[in-house]
Amino acid sequence: DQQVKQNSPSLSVQEGRISILNCDYTNSMFDYFLWYKKYPAEGPTFLISISSIKDKNEDGRFTVFLNKSAKHLSLHIVPSQPGDSAVYFCAASSGAGSYQLTFGKGTKLSVIP
Amino acid sequence: GAVVSQHPSWVICKSGTSVKIECRSLDFQATTMFWYRQFPKQSLMLMATSNEGSKATYEQGVEKDKFLINHASLTLSTLTVTSAHPEDSSFYICSVEVPNNYGYTFGSGTRLTVV
Repeated sequence: DQQVKQNSPSLSVQEGRISILNCDYTNSMFDYFLWYKKYPAEGPTFLISISSIKDKNEDGRFTVFLNKSAKHLSLHIVPSQPGDSAVYFCAASSGAGSYQLTFGKGTKLSVIP
Repeated sequence: GAVVSQHPSWVICKSGTSVKIECRSLDFQATTMFWYRQFPKQSLMLMATSNEGSKATYEQGVEKDKFLINHASLTLSTLTVTSAHPEDSSFYICSVEVPNNYGYTFGSGTRLTVV
């Protein structure tokens, strides 16, 4: 049973436009969500996170939206740049002393110049 | 700050040999480190949680005798793939919880190829 789902394995976006990456989760105990970016043969790098007490967090070109009732979060990148081309992982964690992350399968973003 | 060094970045070994992968926190102490494995086109799979000074906690389905984890100090955890087989070929990544900061830093990963 996959608790964190990224249903789009890939996404292509024109440079300068908005990229929207989606993530759904099923475990209502998750209270912290993170997005990671991963280039081939490298470890994931942290991008942005959001706590369940918020519905939006913004950092530069990256914004994460959280809809708790729908158990859905999304990462918006605007404007998209060719260097943003990578695999993006959504991850979730529950509190109460558990710091393990549950990852989605990832979405490969291709930004076309 | 919060730099994690993982070594080696890639390794090729023969079937039956053992390979050790190191994960070091360079500027902070880490009581807990996590080891992940990634298969092609698949997500990161948590293999085990490495706890300093105690035995690692392995996820279901992960062979603890095959994937030996040692967390002997607050800055170093090692993953040893024993008697490696071609099916062990994968990308292994460590992750470290950053103290006083609800976040994680990942190592750069190790590409293991068993021939």
